[in-house]
Amino acid sequence: QQQVKQSPQSLIVQKGGISIINCAYENTAFDYFPWYQQFPGKGPALLIAIRPDVSEKKEGRFTISFNKSAKQFSLHIMDSQPGDSATYFCAASMIWAGGTSYGKLTFGQGTILTVHP
Amino acid sequence: GAVVSQHPSWVICKSGTSVKIECRSLDFQATTMFWYRQFPKQSLMLMATSNEGSKATYEQGVEKDKFLINHASLTLSTLTVTSAHPEDSSFYICSARPQGPYNEQFFGPGTRLTVL
Repeated sequence: QQQVKQSPQSLIVQKGGISIINCAYENTAFDYFPWYQQFPGKGPALLIAIRPDVSEKKEGRFTISFNKSAKQFSLHIMDSQPGDSATYFCAASMIWAGGTSYGKLTFGQGTILTVHP
Repeated sequence: GAVVSQHPSWVICKSGTSVKIECRSLDFQATTMFWYRQFPKQSLMLMATSNEGSKATYEQGVEKDKFLINHASLTLSTLTVTSAHPEDSSFYICSARPQGPYNEQFFGPGTRLTVL
């Protein structure tokens, strides 16, 4: 019930195209859904995050779409660029987990994005 | 803002020795820090949650006597891998959560540990 399932495992798009990565979760207590970008040999960097009270959030070329009833959320990268080539992780947590949880993140399996020039 | 540093960025040690990795939040205070382990081409695996001034909470299957965590201040947490063995070779990443009603976690750049 704590799992977050991410797909696809890898994605290849052409420069200027749209990259779409999907995640699904089971635990309805999750109420914070961030996306992270990770380059080889580096730590993950927070890209964008959403709370379940909104269905969409946009920051520049990055958009999160959230479907609470389906327990799914996705990342859309518009006008994909070669510099976007990285591994993307979705995650989920409970903001006020209480006890010793303190908002632990549960990560998806990751998607390796390659954007061809 | 929200910068987290780790030191060292990479370390090579002999089997049986201990290695300490530092995680610092540079421009904010972090009540909670998290330690992750990541194998090549895999996701991040949470090892433990570290709270300032109290004992760390370890995830199931993580040996607390092998991975010692200390969170002595609001800006520093350390992970010590004791009696390291080749199977402990991995990429160790910390994250820090700022004080207050936030859930954002900011990650350090990671430490590559190689045990010979």
